[in-house]
Amino acid sequence: DTAVSQTPKYLVTQMGNDKSIKCEQNLGHDTMYWYKQDSKKFLKIMFSYNNKELIINETVPNRFSPKSPDKAHLNLHINSLELGDSAVYFCASSRERAVHTEAFFGQGTRLTVV
Amino acid sequence: TQLLEQSPQFLSIQEGENLTVYCNSSSVFSSLQWYRQEPGEGPVLLVTVVTGGEVKKLKRLTFQFGDARKDSSLHITAAQPGDTGLYLCAGGRTGRRALTFGSGTRLQVQP
Repeated sequence: DTAVSQTPKYLVTQMGNDKSIKCEQNLGHDTMYWYKQDSKKFLKIMFSYNNKELIINETVPNRFSPKSPDKAHLNLHINSLELGDSAVYFCASSRERAVHTEAFFGQGTRLTVV
Repeated sequence: TQLLEQSPQFLSIQEGENLTVYCNSSSVFSSLQWYRQEPGEGPVLLVTVVTGGEVKKLKRLTFQFGDARKDSSLHITAAQPGDTGLYLCAGGRTGRRALTFGSGTRLQVQP
């Protein structure tokens, strides 16, 4: 009964490949996010969706494309993977998009590009 | 340059000691949150402060939001090994729709 679940937990792939990370939340939240945590543990917002509508799209290479089939799911597809894409990617959700609302995070997907 | 700087970056202390972690910025935030992240897990919210000068207590943890809403501190009394983890502050700003996270403080409490 995990609140925010993402799969896979670990992903090792070669440069140039295309991969997807899936995220689902069962909290009934309207807003979902993708964050990237680098090797120095710095968490940076990538995308945010509210009721399937994209509301935040930070300066992320267009090789990264989020897709929200419904408000409980937000998947991240990455084309032409590069070494610098190696990081831990976190999906999160919140009840509303007000910035002070608590964010619930998944366990993270550790992506290693070799 | 990061918008929210945390200090110290690393802290290793003995069980029973007290400690303070700082989160500083030159920008004003409408709210400030503190999260704790354990290895292999996502961050978990500890507290949200929204009023300048606000102090909140959570058992042995005391959180303070600066009067000017540009900084915050987290004080832990009598630290325990279970407090070990990465502590992240995160600020919310008017007009921004996502949190801005700090650089993190890694705390290790030795038994």
